[in-house]
Amino acid sequence: GDSVTQMEGPVTLSEEAFLTINCTYTATGYPSLFWYVQYPGEGLQLLLKATKADDKGSNKGFEATYRKETTSFHLEKGSVQVSDSAVYFCALRRKDTGRRALTFGSGTRLQVQP
Amino acid sequence: EAGVTQFPSHSVIEKGQTVTLRCDPISGHDNLYWYRRVMGKEIKFLLHFVKESKQDESGMPNNRFLAERTGGTYSTLKVQPAELEDSGVYFCASSRQGNEQFFGPGTRLTVL
Repeated sequence: GDSVTQMEGPVTLSEEAFLTINCTYTATGYPSLFWYVQYPGEGLQLLLKATKADDKGSNKGFEATYRKETTSFHLEKGSVQVSDSAVYFCALRRKDTGRRALTFGSGTRLQVQP
Repeated sequence: EAGVTQFPSHSVIEKGQTVTLRCDPISGHDNLYWYRRVMGKEIKFLLHFVKESKQDESGMPNNRFLAERTGGTYSTLKVQPAELEDSGVYFCASSRQGNEQFFGPGTRLTVL
């Protein structure tokens, strides 16, 4: 079945450090890929998405590129802030079945220290 | 526009008891989804409503879970009887057709 694998957390960085959170997936066909973020006490929010190979999603300084060859969708940010501290979830959605369900990874907690 | 709301935010029950979780989607969103995250693991899909109909319930773990969406507005997810392994965070999401899913803050369920 479909699956998403994320790097284990927590990831602890100092402010202004470079961030990479790895995400790889297994799915039939070429799914749409997403990064969601959950800030403390809130629901998941869509951070960015990409719907086809080589697409780059970006938002709030975060970027991720859909790599078909490596089945990856790594999240990056050049300079993190304390306010980026949250749990980040990588997810996919199949396009070939018509199902709307999202398949998530286990989440990666990011802690940014001042 | 109000977001997705869930009630209660936290529930603690004894094994064997019944718990009902409620989700109010964003007004006008016909699609409503339930997910859960157990033991800090991945968030798993439970089911998908389109209006009052169950479009996809392939993720429901067993017959102790019953989801309803009478009238196509709010939804309830009942767990009866609850087991220890049901502990986790239950998320609800809603969307317009084919669009982004907006998530609620979740209900944290603890079964003792």
